[in-house]
Amino acid sequence: DGGITQSPKYLFRKEGQNVTLSCEQNLNHDAMYWYRQDPGQGLRLIYYSQIVNDFQKGDIAEGYSVSREKKESFPLTVTSAQKNPTAFYLCASSKNLLDIQYFGAGTRLSVL
Amino acid sequence: AQRVTQPEKLLSVFKGAPVELKCNYSYSGSPELFWYVQYSRQRLQLLLRHISRESIKGFTADLNKGETSFHLKKPFAQEEDSAMYYCALEVTGGGNKLTFGTGTQLKVEL
Repeated sequence: DGGITQSPKYLFRKEGQNVTLSCEQNLNHDAMYWYRQDPGQGLRLIYYSQIVNDFQKGDIAEGYSVSREKKESFPLTVTSAQKNPTAFYLCASSKNLLDIQYFGAGTRLSVL
Repeated sequence: AQRVTQPEKLLSVFKGAPVELKCNYSYSGSPELFWYVQYSRQRLQLLLRHISRESIKGFTADLNKGETSFHLKKPFAQEEDSAMYYCALEVTGGGNKLTFGTGTQLKVEL
């Protein structure tokens, strides 16, 4: 099904390594978001982007970076500065900042 | 800062029984509230939002500003309702940033 595609489904990171999670959408949405989900903690916002070439920090941006060079793509890099990266990462998009968010299937990141 | 509390981690009910998933929030302004649902092996998706005042799949939720609650209710639970339910809050002018609760796993037993 189309919509929002996250890849890979599972990702393993070595200590000190940067890894990039992909998020692509074909919904022509302007806004995109990255959330982190930990057991018993719900979803927490990492970064969001209202339009191309613009993005804002969310509640837990430290140790992460993003880019928004194309409308359909919003990759998330988990840097070595993120000391506890093991989590489930969800990408979402919405038509604009007033519309509902649609979610991808997620990427599970683990540290080796 | 805003906060969403879902006190029940797991709620187990029998088929046909009423369901109430609790959600309380703290926010000084005028909130927008949502319920999201994640069925097994499916994506997180919007179930309903308070401004729509809809009933989706038999579920309703009423915003009670006095009690700062947005409980999700269904009179008769069905087996297919078994899922993880998240309550979320968007602050006014918050740029569509959602604050999620920790979720409640609903299990409907036969």
